[in-house]
Amino acid sequence: QKEVEQDPGPLSVPEGAIVSLNCTYSNSAFQYFMWYRQYSRKGPELLMYTYSSGNKEDGRFTAQVDKSSKYISLFIRDSQPSDSATYLCAMSLGAGNQFYFGTGTSLTVIP
Amino acid sequence: EPEVTQTPSHQVTQMGQEVILRCVPISNHLYFYWYRQILGQKVEFLVSFYNNEISEKSEIFDDQFSVERPDGSNFTLKIRSTKLEDSAMYFCASSEAGGTGPWDEQFFGPGTRLTVL
Repeated sequence: QKEVEQDPGPLSVPEGAIVSLNCTYSNSAFQYFMWYRQYSRKGPELLMYTYSSGNKEDGRFTAQVDKSSKYISLFIRDSQPSDSATYLCAMSLGAGNQFYFGTGTSLTVIP
Repeated sequence: EPEVTQTPSHQVTQMGQEVILRCVPISNHLYFYWYRQILGQKVEFLVSFYNNEISEKSEIFDDQFSVERPDGSNFTLKIRSTKLEDSAMYFCASSEAGGTGPWDEQFFGPGTRLTVL
């Protein structure tokens, strides 16, 4: 059941580039949209979450949700080598409900 | 900073054996979760647990799986008779309020890699 689709990459960009990561989903009932970062041999770590549609900005990171298109994005400005990780999108029907994850996009930022 | 811990980091077992994966959630958290990630695939929800009861479970979480909070700090996942397809990374997560507020972050542990031979 392909609830959440995410391009697995890998994605390789030079330091300082703007990175765009995307996910699409099929269940219009999703309300919470999350982006997690996962380093090798570590558990997922929350970067940002958004409730319903709209944009949210946190430092170099911007999350966008377009519920009409069932499409979410994460933008990373001025990318750094330390941003190299796998980025997972996740969604839930409500706070506290199970998360539905994308496959993750592997990002490498080259110094 | 408080964190979720999991032991062991890697477990190797023979098919048909029982395994217990252990997690210590963040101390003031009340809601606990298990997820798994088969190599190259998505992180998948298994089960959520609150007040000594299962709150939600996926179709993956069949009779071979069970969860328990044996004491005030540990949260365990037991697989009774492991199959080859149980080989995966198992993540434990915990949250403070489980969604009773407007948002409740799930904090993930580093995972236990289970290899079934």
